[in-house]
Formats: sequence, C-alpha cells, structure tokens
Amino acid sequence: AQSVTQLDSQVPVFEEAPVELRCNYSSSVSVYLFWYVQYPNQGLQLLLKYLSGSTLVKGINGFEAEFNKSQTSFHLRKPSVHISDTAEYFCAVSWASGGSYIPTFGRGTSLIVHP
Amino acid sequence: EPEVTQTPSHQVTQMGQEVILRCVPISNHLYFYWYRQILGQKVEFLVSFYNNEISEKSEIFDDQFSVERPDGSNFTLKIRSTKLEDSAMYFCASSRGRGRNEQFFGPGTRLTVL
Repeated sequence: AQSVTQLDSQVPVFEEAPVELRCNYSSSVSVYLFWYVQYPNQGLQLLLKYLSGSTLVKGINGFEAEFNKSQTSFHLRKPSVHISDTAEYFCAVSWASGGSYIPTFGRGTSLIVHP
Repeated sequence: EPEVTQTPSHQVTQMGQEVILRCVPISNHLYFYWYRQILGQKVEFLVSFYNNEISEKSEIFDDQFSVERPDGSNFTLKIRSTKLEDSAMYFCASSRGRGRNEQFFGPGTRLTVL
C-alpha cells in the first residue's frame, strides 16, 4: 500500500517570501501525485497533479511542484506567497496501475502567511 | 461552476443515534466517495461508489456505515449507531473517472457525537 508523509504540520511565512511544503511518499509501483488546498470552511480543491511526463508541474495560483522519483518526493513551491494563500495543503498519491485507485492523503500542512 | 454540496454543515448528535449525511455530487460525475478527517489527523478514505454499488471500502467502513444514492442526485452516508470516535469532518467527493481523474470535494459536514 502507498503512504504519504507531510513532514510539516504548520509552516509560517511572511508575505512575498518563497515557500516549500514537503511531501514524501512510499510506493512500490508507479503513482499519480496530487496537491489539494483547503481554504477555511471550504472543501478540498485541486492545485496541481502529476500523471506522467515532465517532472515539473505547474498549478493554479502560481504554485508548482516537482516530482522526484529517486527521492520519492513531490514538494510544493511558490516563489512569493500572498496572505490569501493561507490555507491547509494536502498531498495525495494513488496507484497508476493495478491495485486501488483511491488516493491516500497526507495529514496536511497548514500554511500561515503573515503580513 | 458546478460544485459538490453537503448538508448539514454541522451535525450534533447523541451517542447511539443514527445520522444521515447528505451530498449532491456534480451531475455528470460517475464516481462518488466519502472521506473523514478526525481533528488533527489525516484525511481517511471511507468508501467509493460507482454504478449504484460500493466499489471499494476501507477498514473503517464497517457495518455501522452504509451509503445510498436514493434518487439519482443525492449521495448519503448513514451511521447507524454513532460512537464518540465518529466525531470528525466528513467530506463527500465525486469524479468523472478514477485514478488520474481529479476528485471534487464538498465543504464537509462536521459531526459531533456527545
């Protein structure tokens, strides 16, 4: 079975600073990788996903993530954050073939952007 | 823009009572899901539903839980006899396909069992 580790439960950062939210996964087969964001009192919405091809994936709101197969990581980055980026961020992984297609989610990382 | 809706937003119930959480998935989606998140913990998969039957379920989804799509638009999660440990945020999601397809989530129902 796959598993997902989000190492940081909370990441405080100042506005306009860069940020990286870390995600590591374990799986013995090829995977699809996702980052979701949850704003207060809302459901999760997709930021970006890696299915295949280029390892650098660009998403909405200026976020990007890089798939690193050797390090089994899919870290999320933004070069300059906004107050409005304050939210909970979830990394998720699902198997690309065989087995369950249901994504496994990490615990989430709370990004707190200070003015 | 179509979205998944859930009602109620917050449900408070006594231990041992039955609760029904309701969801309206996006209309042209074929796969439906329930997840839960206990405060401070991971988002955990409960069950997926396709073609009017359960396609996959987790160990959490025991005999106390059931799902139904009673009328072609609603998708419900019933907990037969709630326990304190059922207190959590419950998310409904839907998708057009599976695996590589994005899941669209509702805003969640916060269930509090007293």
